[in-house]
Amino acid sequence: GENVEQHPSTLSVQEGDSAVIKCTYSDSASNYFPWYKQELGKGPQLIIDIRSNVGEKKDQRIAVTLNKTAKHFSLHITETQPEDSAVYFCAAGDSGTYKYIFGTGTRLKVLA
Amino acid sequence: GAVVSQHPSRVICKSGTSVKIECRSLDFQATTMFWYRQFPKQSLMLMATSNEGSKATYEQGVEKDKFLINHASLTLSTLTVTSAHPEDSSFYICSADTGISNEKLFFGSGTQLSVL
Repeated sequence: GENVEQHPSTLSVQEGDSAVIKCTYSDSASNYFPWYKQELGKGPQLIIDIRSNVGEKKDQRIAVTLNKTAKHFSLHITETQPEDSAVYFCAAGDSGTYKYIFGTGTRLKVLA
Repeated sequence: GAVVSQHPSRVICKSGTSVKIECRSLDFQATTMFWYRQFPKQSLMLMATSNEGSKATYEQGVEKDKFLINHASLTLSTLTVTSAHPEDSSFYICSADTGISNEKLFFGSGTQLSVL
């Protein structure tokens, strides 16, 4: 079946450094790629998303890049802060049906 | 942003009992809501799509008689875990379609179900 691979599973960075999380999807029909941040005991929160007709999108310290040919997309967090520590999930799917396949998650720890 | 409220946040029940989880869209109408299951340190697995006024659509492998979904209004969907067993213990999360082009889905805060 369709799947989304996400790497790394855990990531520790020093405060102020950058963090990069990568995802690869298999369904070439996917046209929408959101990223979610999930804190312990809470539901995921959308932090940024990108559509298939765009190669890059930035929102302050967060950016996402998409390579449709390679079926890769990545999350970049710059100037990391301790409050960025959480589990991050990528997802790929159809923006019309809202049925997304989620990656396996990356536990990010920002060390003060 | 849009708010999705999910209750309860945590429930402990005895084996064989049924548990109802509510998912409400507080400031928007959601014709479609989704229910997910998440095991510790794992990803979200879509269980079913809940459509207001019609039957839910279940993903392959999800027992519809086990996980009853009702979406009786545009702001409320419920998931009832019937005759719960310890293997049903999990984190259950709902999400709702906001209909806003830039923010597709908003998620509830999740319900941790523990079946003894």
